[in-house]
Amino acid sequence: NAGVTQTPKFRILKIGQSMTLQCTQDMNHNYMYWYRQDPGMGLKLIYYSVGAGITDKGEVPNGYNVSRSTTEDFPLRLELAAPSQTSVYFCASSYSASGGAYEQYFGPGTRLTVT
Amino acid sequence: KNQVEQSPQSLIILEGKNCTLQCNYTVSPFSNLRWYKQDTGRGPVSLTIMTFSENTKSNGRYTATLDADTKQSSLHITASQLSDSASYICVVSENSGGYQKVTFGTGTKLQVIP
Repeated sequence: NAGVTQTPKFRILKIGQSMTLQCTQDMNHNYMYWYRQDPGMGLKLIYYSVGAGITDKGEVPNGYNVSRSTTEDFPLRLELAAPSQTSVYFCASSYSASGGAYEQYFGPGTRLTVT
Repeated sequence: KNQVEQSPQSLIILEGKNCTLQCNYTVSPFSNLRWYKQDTGRGPVSLTIMTFSENTKSNGRYTATLDADTKQSSLHITASQLSDSASYICVVSENSGGYQKVTFGTGTKLQVIP
């Protein structure tokens, strides 16, 4: 199993450009998540998905969009990139998030700089 | 507002020594608490998961404790190794009945030196 994979690893965007961060998991997890991690801050949830076709906003969704057409893939779209979106983005997945203790598996992250 | 506070922010210890990291939280209603290890430039990796009824859990040289009454947790690292150098993140989940809302601490950055 590759686990959770993310591409690209690094990206520099100009203000106003758009891009899609890719995330794929091969563990057949139903839940997937996107987080951002800013220096000195805890991870913040951007969007999550409880299964194919179902997505919902997290704590900091503004400026981002997601889709979940398959169980495996959960891309994050940035429209009109802004310097405030400079961050490290982590994708994660888990088997179940409702009830009980579950383990989240994280990808290696995408470091994004907007200038 | 749910909060997770970790201390110390950073810590330097000699290889072979033990250390204890602290986590205090205000998340309610509590569901579970997890400790993650995050190496520089990598994603977090789960070390332990504890529910309300568990007050201690070990994973090799890592031992986590939980006091749900005082809303405190600690992570004890025994006989530290250079590879333990990383950030350790405390994560607390809220039992909201459906999707579990999680709150991440800002982490303790541990450096183990020879």
